[in-house]
Amino acid sequence: GESVGLHLPTLSVQEGDNSIINCAYSNSASDYFIWYKQESGKGPQFIIDIRSNMDKRQGQRVTVLLNKTVKHLSLQIAATQPGDSAVYFCAENIMDSWGKLQFGAGTQVVVTP
Amino acid sequence: GAVVSQHPSRVICKSGTSVKIECRSLDFQATTMFWYRQFPKQSLMLMATSNEGSKATYEQGVEKDKFLINHASLTLSTLTVTSAHPEDSSFYICSASSGGANEQFFGPGTRLTVL
Repeated sequence: GESVGLHLPTLSVQEGDNSIINCAYSNSASDYFIWYKQESGKGPQFIIDIRSNMDKRQGQRVTVLLNKTVKHLSLQIAATQPGDSAVYFCAENIMDSWGKLQFGAGTQVVVTP
Repeated sequence: GAVVSQHPSRVICKSGTSVKIECRSLDFQATTMFWYRQFPKQSLMLMATSNEGSKATYEQGVEKDKFLINHASLTLSTLTVTSAHPEDSSFYICSASSGGANEQFFGPGTRLTVL
């Protein structure tokens, strides 16, 4: 249901620094994880994904780390830029669930000059 | 890359009217489409899963008679909000997948405001 007055956690990062965004997922049966970036008024944009048989995956300026023991996922953004300001969501999927995704609460990243 | 469009991008309607939102996969065949609702400062909540040619599967708490979903072709799914009320005002987002656990491609969203 709707939570009135809910505020997204905010991460304030100086331009050029590295960002680390964390996510705790809920289902131990989840075996596919995705990070999305959502700018204001737009749909989510795929950043990077990782399957449960891996614990690290790197993309361009981004790295995702998966710790299945504690059900934790993180997204690292190197050399954060103003264009990285957005809300970041992790999402989890169970392979036999027709691709249904469950989204985390989200983190607002604000890049300061 | 795969492109998903939504129409309209914004709609304002009076309470009690119905609104139809279209979701199209422009360059691939989407065997499965998903509809999400997102309230301000909140996450995306899955409303329903739609497979082409069959009835949609609704998440718990989502009224199927209020949120009518039709997935008549491999490139088009529609969501109709019937008898809309102000509490239905939200950001509605669709996504499309070519099946299984493959990547979902998201549309740009539709902002619905019910007066």
